[in-house]
Amino acid sequence: GAVVSQHPSWVICKSGTSVKIECRSLDFQATTMFWYRQFPKQSLMLMATSNEGSKATYEQGVEKDKFLINHASLTLSTLTVTSAHPEDSSFYICSAHSGTGKANYGYTFGSGTRLTVV
Amino acid sequence: DQQVKQNSPSLSVQEGRISILNCDYTNSMFDYFLWYKKYPAEGPTFLISISSIKDKNEDGRFTVFLNKSAKHLSLHIVPSQPGDSAVYFCAASSGTYKYIFGTGTRLKVLA
Repeated sequence: GAVVSQHPSWVICKSGTSVKIECRSLDFQATTMFWYRQFPKQSLMLMATSNEGSKATYEQGVEKDKFLINHASLTLSTLTVTSAHPEDSSFYICSAHSGTGKANYGYTFGSGTRLTVV
Repeated sequence: DQQVKQNSPSLSVQEGRISILNCDYTNSMFDYFLWYKKYPAEGPTFLISISSIKDKNEDGRFTVFLNKSAKHLSLHIVPSQPGDSAVYFCAASSGTYKYIFGTGTRLKVLA
C-alpha cells in the first residue's frame, strides 16, 4: 500500500530557531499533501493544504509566514516552523493524497513529528 | 465549533467483548466518513470508511454504522483484542479531501 515517510520523528529546538519537517510519498505521487497539528488530548487540526507546484492554502488562524510549506515535487512536501516558540510545541503530521479518488487508499498519513521548543 | 465530536474520551472493554465507539457530527453536508486508529507517537492508520449512501460497512472485525438522520456514526469491534488498544478518531468530509477530525476515544482492551 501507499507509504508516507515523515522525518524527523522528534526534534527539540531552541526558541527562535527554525525547524524543517519533511514528508515524502515513497511509492506514489502525491498531488496533494496536508499538514496537521495535534495538541495533547485534542483532535488533528488541519493547518494547510499544498498542491504540487502551487502555493499552499492555509486554514484560518494559521500564520503562513510562520509555517512555511513547500511542495516542490510530487513526492516531497516540507513544513518549516520559523522562529519557533514554546507554544509551537506540538505533534505535526502530514498526509498525502495520490489523487486516485476519495477512498482512503488515496489519503495516507506519515508517522508524525513531535516538536518541542525550549 | 467542533463539527465532529467524540464525546467519550476513553473506553475500557474486556477482551472478546464488543467495543462500540461513537461519533457525532453537526454538518449535514458531510458525505464521507473515516475511522482511524492511532498508537502513541505514530501517525493515524486507516481502519474503515463509509459514504453517506450506505448505512453500514463491514471489514472483518470492524463494522461502521451511519445514521444520517441522527448525524451519528459508530465503530463496532468484535471481538475486541488487546492489540486494538489505541486512540480511535472519526473524520468527516463534504465532497473534498479536507477532513475534519474528532478528538478521539482511547480504547483499552483488557486481557
